[in-house]
Amino acid sequence: DTGVSQDPRHKITKRGQNVTFRCDPISEHNRLYWYRQTLGQGPEFLTYFQNEAQLEKSRLLSDRFSAERPKGSFSTLEIQRTEQGDSAMYLCASSLAGVRIEKLFFGSGTQLSVL
Amino acid sequence: AQSVTQLDSQVPVFEEAPVELRCNYSSSVSVYLFWYVQYPNQGLQLLLKYLSGSTLVESINGFEAEFNKSQTSFHLRKPSVHISDTAEYFCAVKVYNAGNMLTFGGGTRLMVKP
Repeated sequence: DTGVSQDPRHKITKRGQNVTFRCDPISEHNRLYWYRQTLGQGPEFLTYFQNEAQLEKSRLLSDRFSAERPKGSFSTLEIQRTEQGDSAMYLCASSLAGVRIEKLFFGSGTQLSVL
Repeated sequence: AQSVTQLDSQVPVFEEAPVELRCNYSSSVSVYLFWYVQYPNQGLQLLLKYLSGSTLVESINGFEAEFNKSQTSFHLRKPSVHISDTAEYFCAVKVYNAGNMLTFGGGTRLMVKP
């Protein structure tokens, strides 16, 4: 069990650029979540996948955001035309469905700074 | 919609003193309740959870939380803290039988001083 890994750890970009983050979940986990955390706030749910299907999306996820999990393993989160308000820590978590209450395992996050 | 309020953004405390981190939630339906901990430079980790049954739940490192339905609270306590407990603590709720979204509070930074 190597844990949930996220890449990159830090990303600095200019406003208007596109960015893509990657998340590798724990290998046997079939659920994968994306959360966003701004300074001084708790994580906010963005979206989640069960295998390759995207099952829930938050209203926070504007049209500029897209997430994929093409083979039900790793996931990518892309932000197009970044804005300064997108600056945040983007967290990925994975879990195993089918247990009574699933336990989420979080990665260390990708810190995005939009200049 | 549900919401979670953590009343204290920071709690400074001396080592071996007791501590309580407060959490109140708002929901019109039944919820599951969680406490997550985030140590410096690490991802969030589940500390403990309340699903049903006994309203007092315990973690392996001495923390406990009590579900109080009438006060819609789930405060986290430890009778004697250690320097290694310094971390950010997040309370979270999940609505029973309604998706898999966790709603988090804003977090409380516990700072244990020697």
